[in-house]
Amino acid sequence: DSGVTQTPKHLITATGQRVTLRCSPRSGDLSVYWYQQSLDQGLQFLIQYYNGEERAKGNILERFSAQQFPDLHSELNLSSLELGDSALYFCASSVGGGVDTEAFFGQGTRLTVV
Amino acid sequence: GQQVMQIPQYQHVQEGEDFTTYCNSSTTLSNIQWYKQRPGGHPVFLIQLVKSGEVKKQKRLTFQFGEAKKNSSLHITATQTTDVGTYFCAVSDMDSNYQLIWGAGTKLIIKP
Repeated sequence: DSGVTQTPKHLITATGQRVTLRCSPRSGDLSVYWYQQSLDQGLQFLIQYYNGEERAKGNILERFSAQQFPDLHSELNLSSLELGDSALYFCASSVGGGVDTEAFFGQGTRLTVV
Repeated sequence: GQQVMQIPQYQHVQEGEDFTTYCNSSTTLSNIQWYKQRPGGHPVFLIQLVKSGEVKKQKRLTFQFGEAKKNSSLHITATQTTDVGTYFCAVSDMDSNYQLIWGAGTKLIIKP
């Protein structure tokens, strides 16, 4: 158990809909990262928050947005969903905000768009 | 911009054979991290390399960072079924701006 909690574990929704994925980081971790992993593919970095503020942005679509709340949990919002958005979405957390800190991953949310 | 190539994409080995995955960058790296993802699981941090020429060992796993800090390798001696999974490198350089760049991963498959 990494200490990072993601909910829900599975989500099935229709095209055009909007969903929210939730992540609770490890106790004491200030950074939260979101990644997308399509079937048998690598990890695509979406976005990072550090202590409530956006720190880095990757290949995140305009239809996607995220935020980190004062209690440090984070939410990833996906809207106008398309079939191609079906993927495993991972949240990770780390103590620091730099690229030299170990990241701990949650179990992921598997999103299926039908 | 920063690019990282990880090879091979797949490696099939007999149990007991060795396995190696390579991570190559077009620019000089600040650091490199290695992660393992078991089938159906999530990535798990293995190690971080920072110094030129650094070699670190974890039981049967040996991690190397090239002298020029542009490449790295992960070598597993005498693979076991528990080694099955995908191994990812994640790198940063001076221009990364807090963002790790991930390799595509090497999938280790043990032949039945």
